[in-house]
Amino acid sequence: GIQVEQSPPDLILQEGANSTLRCNFSDSVNNLQWFHQNPWGQLINLFYIPSGTKQNGRLSATTVATERYSLLYISSSQTTDSGVYFCAVDPLTDYKLSFGAGTTVTVRA
Amino acid sequence: DAGVTQSPTHLIKTRGQQVTLRCSPISGHKSVSWYQQVLGQGPQFIFQYYEKEERGRGNFPDRFSARQFPNYSSELNVNALLLGDSALYLCASTLGAEETQYFGPGTRLLVL
Repeated sequence: GIQVEQSPPDLILQEGANSTLRCNFSDSVNNLQWFHQNPWGQLINLFYIPSGTKQNGRLSATTVATERYSLLYISSSQTTDSGVYFCAVDPLTDYKLSFGAGTTVTVRA
Repeated sequence: DAGVTQSPTHLIKTRGQQVTLRCSPISGHKSVSWYQQVLGQGPQFIFQYYEKEERGRGNFPDRFSARQFPNYSSELNVNALLLGDSALYLCASTLGAEETQYFGPGTRLLVL
């Protein structure tokens, strides 16, 4: 099956700092989504971004499908940004959304 | 509008027992997917149902089964529970079969 690799595995930020999370995938995909999982386990959609760039407030994402990677940018981080960020891809060949292992972000005040 | 709902929120079972988890999708959504998330890992795909038909199945044993009802709600059944089945079980719904997935709060299953 498709491989999804996220980096870095852990990230510690000071409040106000900027950061970039990366997602690499091993095969062509129908779509790519970024999620934020809060400490209670709820997965929140951030972006549905099979290609191109999108922005939502302090967050933005870019997917370069031809090079099989996506980036999630967090600007002016806040303590509420803490949690685990997952990248998930929907392969062309089947209907199984595949998640990466996640990046755990800790934002310190 | 209500989001995806799941019940129960928590469950404790013993090895060998059977469990049924329930999911109600967002109103108007016709596809439901199930995922298992073990502590410290990303969610793993179990099943996807679209218009009451199984559309995809992940690498899980036959002890795992699911179905989707005419109102598009879904149940996940796990038989002969093992300690390793302890996990957060997540349900997601989509309007069509290949669109943005919206997740419910999950059911935390502990097998003793």
